Amino acid sequence: DAGVTQSPTHLIKTRGQQVTLRCSPKSGHDTVSWYQQALGQGPQFIFQYYEEEERQRGNFPDRFSGHQFPNYSSELNVNALLLGDSALYLCASSSATGGVETQYFGPGTRLLVL
Amino acid sequence: GNSVTQMEGPVTLSEEAFLTINCTYTATGYPSLFWYVQYPGEGLQLLLKATKADDKGSNKGFEATYRKETTSFHLEKGSVQVSDSAVYFCAHMEYGNKLVFGAGTILRVKS
Repeated sequence: DAGVTQSPTHLIKTRGQQVTLRCSPKSGHDTVSWYQQALGQGPQFIFQYYEEEERQRGNFPDRFSGHQFPNYSSELNVNALLLGDSALYLCASSSATGGVETQYFGPGTRLLVL
Repeated sequence: GNSVTQMEGPVTLSEEAFLTINCTYTATGYPSLFWYVQYPGEGLQLLLKATKADDKGSNKGFEATYRKETTSFHLEKGSVQVSDSAVYFCAHMEYGNKLVFGAGTILRVKS
């Protein structure tokens, strides 16, 4: 049973560019959440997708957008990259059916903006 | 606003020592509580969780008890190993299933 997978593992971009990160949820999960983890800090919630809709959003600008596909996989897009967007981007998946939606994380995509 | 406060690290212990990492939270109601662990260069792994007051989560020798009277969820292990060296994150789940994390506590275990 594959866990949460993310691609790519590492990425280098320059300021002003755009980036797309991808996530495949754990088998049986239908909800995907994205988090940004700056160096030495805890992860910060970006947004969450369920049934191909953005269900909840954290305190991130509109430059951060996402999408969820019918197979539950998801993309995170960041436009007009800033140096401060350099971070580890984590995807987490969960199941919306019954009980607490425990989130399981992927290995992350490390983004460096130069 | 809602938040999670963890004891600052790094915490440095000798192998087989007792571990406590303190965690307190502020939240509306009684959120579910979690401990995640992050090994170098990796994502977060769920270590344990508790979903209601007085619940005890446990896994791999680690334990934490949900204390609503003190809004705490301290992580403990009776005998740490070198392989436990990692960063530990306490988190609570807000309404809407959004996780709010603490800043993380670095644990270093020496042989």
